[in-house]
Amino acid sequence: GESVGLHLPTLSVQEGDNSIINCAYSNSASDYFIWYKQESGKGPQFIIDIRSNMDKRQGQRVTVLLNKTVKHLSLQIAATQPGDSAVYFCAETVTGGFKTIFGAGTRLFVKA
Amino acid sequence: NAGVTQTPKFRVLKTGQSMTLLCAQDMNHEYMYWYRQDPGMGLRLIHYSVGEGTTAKGEVPDGYNVSRLKKQNFLLGLESAAPSQTSVYFCASSYSGGAPFGELFFGEGSRLTVL
Repeated sequence: GESVGLHLPTLSVQEGDNSIINCAYSNSASDYFIWYKQESGKGPQFIIDIRSNMDKRQGQRVTVLLNKTVKHLSLQIAATQPGDSAVYFCAETVTGGFKTIFGAGTRLFVKA
Repeated sequence: NAGVTQTPKFRVLKTGQSMTLLCAQDMNHEYMYWYRQDPGMGLRLIHYSVGEGTTAKGEVPDGYNVSRLKKQNFLLGLESAAPSQTSVYFCASSYSGGAPFGELFFGEGSRLTVL
C-alpha cells in the first residue's frame, strides 16, 4: 500500500477470496490508526480503527493488524465481495493532535 | 441526518478567479478539515479547525484561506485560482483528534477545475 507516485498500487482478487492490503505509516509517535474505504465518486468512509496499545482488532469481515516495530498496518478482508471494490487508505494520527495523515491508497478490484 | 454537506459539487474557474467552497456539518463536531485529493494520491490536509473561530495550516495551505465563523460551517477560499489547484476537495469533521472518537466523517467532495 505504499505510494508509487501517480499510480495507485492495485490488488486484484477473486470473489470469495481473502484480501490483504498493506500500509507503511510514517510517524513513530502516531498512536491511532484508521482504515478508510473510498468508492468511486464518494468521500472516504470509516472501516475500522486500532490504537497503538493493540496489535489486532476485528470487525465484521475485516481485521486490522498493527506492527509498531516496523511501522506497518494491514487490513484483511474475509470473503471479499464485489461491493468491496474501492480504494483503501490507511490513516495515522496522534491522540490530542489535530492532523490525520493519509497514505497514498490501494485500489482493490474484486473479480466475480 | 445529512452528515457533512459540501457545495458546490462541481465548479470550473478561469485562472485568477476567486471562489469559496462551503462545508456544513450537523453532528456538532468541534473539528473540521479541508483536504485535497489528486489523481493516484492520498488526501493532503490544507487547513483545519479545532473549534469555532479557530483555524490552522495543514500540509499544503498555500493559495487557500479558511474561516470558521460558525461551529457547523467551514469555508475554503481560493483568492486567485491557479491550474495547480485543479483537484477534488473534501471536507471532513470529527468529534475529537485521535482516539477514541477521532474518525473523520467526509463530505461527497467538490471537483474544481481551473483553466
